Amino acid sequence: QVQLKESGPVLVQASETLSLTCTVSGFSLTNYGVIWVRQPPGKGLEWMGIIWRNGNTDYNSALKSRLSINRDTSKSQVFLKMNSLQTDDTAIYYCTRWFAYWGQGTLVTVSS
Amino acid sequence: DVVLTQTPPTLSATIGQSVSISCRSSQSLLHSNGNTYLHWLLQRPGQSPQLLIYSVSRLESGVPNRFSGSGSGTDFTLKISGVEAEDLGVYYCVQGTHAPWTFGGGTKLELK
Repeated sequence: QVQLKESGPVLVQASETLSLTCTVSGFSLTNYGVIWVRQPPGKGLEWMGIIWRNGNTDYNSALKSRLSINRDTSKSQVFLKMNSLQTDDTAIYYCTRWFAYWGQGTLVTVSS
Repeated sequence: DVVLTQTPPTLSATIGQSVSISCRSSQSLLHSNGNTYLHWLLQRPGQSPQLLIYSVSRLESGVPNRFSGSGSGTDFTLKISGVEAEDLGVYYCVQGTHAPWTFGGGTKLELK
């Protein structure tokens, strides 16, 4: 069955780079795109970006300068990297396949 | 970027009551390919979001048919015909017609 699982650090220092991995199973990354979404504590959902099945990417305008999304299709993994972290980047980070399947999310806290 | 405005921000309902949530877009969500990529999600407390409706009015597999979506262009509505206790949570609209994709601010459905 389709599954997605986020992994990465729980705590990151301000100004450092966040690296998250979304490991998928039950489908191929060459057939489906994967989206990253984040949610600050107590707030709404924010679309971060997408890596399409052909490997192309689109990013949130406000995050574009410090965000990159890549993948390793052989390992069924999608990678998110975001630099120059600030405390307001503290959030639950989700990966999702077209909003129909979601990971459990991973809470990342940015410490000053 | 496309701005999605959801109203009301909070909705109080009794069990069995029918309710509607509005999502208005700052520009038409009709794609050049003829499709309209406006979707509805529900996030229950402490859970990952769940897809309810995709492409305006198509019911996601496994979602009860008391949920329905309608609209076109810039105005869209999610209707719940007979609220049940399991429907409580925050509802989001999201558009995938124009990059970058964007979420509405959310509508919290509470019990009256």
